[in-house]
Amino acid sequence: DTAVSQTPKYLVTQMGNDKSIKCEQNLGHDTMYWYKQDSKKFLKIMFSYNNKELIINETVPNRFSPKSPDKAHLNLHINSLELGDSAVYFCASSHIWTEDGEKLFFGSGTQLSVL
Amino acid sequence: SQQGEEDPQALSIQEGENATMNCSYKTSINNLQWYRQNSGRGLVHLILIRSNEREKHSGRLRVTLDTSKKSSSLLITASRAADTASYFCATDSSNTGKLIFGQGTTLQVKP
Repeated sequence: DTAVSQTPKYLVTQMGNDKSIKCEQNLGHDTMYWYKQDSKKFLKIMFSYNNKELIINETVPNRFSPKSPDKAHLNLHINSLELGDSAVYFCASSHIWTEDGEKLFFGSGTQLSVL
Repeated sequence: SQQGEEDPQALSIQEGENATMNCSYKTSINNLQWYRQNSGRGLVHLILIRSNEREKHSGRLRVTLDTSKKSSSLLITASRAADTASYFCATDSSNTGKLIFGQGTTLQVKP
């Protein structure tokens, strides 16, 4: 059973389109994240939700909108895609108020290519 | 930039040898973590060391932390071909899960 699953694994789309990436975790964690990994492998946090509430919102264009319908799901919607949005997007989860709660569990990533 | 730095960027060794990777960071931290990323996959947590700890072991992994120098090292002993991956250090200053990642060390272990 996959602990943190995200779909799709690959997403190829044209500039200007709107797309969504879905993420689900079955670990019972209360916090979920979106991280972006660029072509140089730098990983940077974008958003974090704790029990459906936004707790981290880094300097990300407002074309990116996360949505958390419940604490097991955190989706990422991107409007008006740009070439610079091409990257690998990782969903992650943790249970931050528990022992070892700082440890993150990552999904396998969504490779987004904007043409 | 708050990004940590890892050294070396790439490391190639023979199976059975030890691999050492270093990480430096810029701000005070609550803990430092190491993750492994196999090609085309997500990151997998390896080990966490808290700011009041100096050394930690987990199987073939040994992590040290020197908060005065703002640096950490990851030692993999008796490496195996399956250890081939990228290794990232990540610092946590806020206990919110906001991790600041280093640029990673790409390790190749030749059989």
